[in-house]
Amino acid sequence: GAGVSQTPSNKVTEKGKYVELRCDPISGHTALYWYRQSLGQGPEFLIYFQGTGAADDSGLPNDRFFAVRPEGSVSTLKIQRTERGDSAVYLCASSSTVLTEAFFGQGTRLTVV
Amino acid sequence: AQSVSQHNHHVILSEAASLELGCNYSYGGTVNLFWYVQYPGQHLQLLLKYFSGDPLVKGIKGFEAEFIKSKFSFNLRKPSVQWSDTAEYFCAVIGGGGSQGNLIFGKGTKLSVKP
Repeated sequence: GAGVSQTPSNKVTEKGKYVELRCDPISGHTALYWYRQSLGQGPEFLIYFQGTGAADDSGLPNDRFFAVRPEGSVSTLKIQRTERGDSAVYLCASSSTVLTEAFFGQGTRLTVV
Repeated sequence: AQSVSQHNHHVILSEAASLELGCNYSYGGTVNLFWYVQYPGQHLQLLLKYFSGDPLVKGIKGFEAEFIKSKFSFNLRKPSVQWSDTAEYFCAVIGGGGSQGNLIFGKGTKLSVKP
């Protein structure tokens, strides 16, 4: 597609449930990033992929968070046993290579009730 | 680890006023620098970027930024703001600090331009 696509745009889930957030990067982009943005804050790095492998997952807050990119294109961010503190906008971005301009999607607003 | 500081949380200006938003980063090695803008209800968009060369870079909509290596700064400027510049502005850096691919953002500066 023309840009980075994220689905769903909004997700409301109950505390303790499992959620998956999907990101379709720009075609051909090898680098893919996940960020989390809370109200009044800048995007907080979670993980980035170079191809299929997670090059840096140091931003994942705990082992409830996991992300995959099995074919080097679409990525899924998975959150287990969601907590109210996980509520935020989850942003995905992609770039043609690492260290170049990243293009962002509209984000998925996750609300844990 | 790399970090980015944006000095102003909220800036309020009248139309036609000049703008300067501060940004400092912590790592002294080779870095790439970016300013992103987020208009109300929209996704993050790139305003401008610096990779190498002329330290004064020009971006879209009349914005420019100056990279001053000795000050670890990359301040954003615009000579005359418009109401449509009302948005949140984020400085970001990539490279250095042990994680070469990690794009690190500042907390953002909210700009409100009064018509």
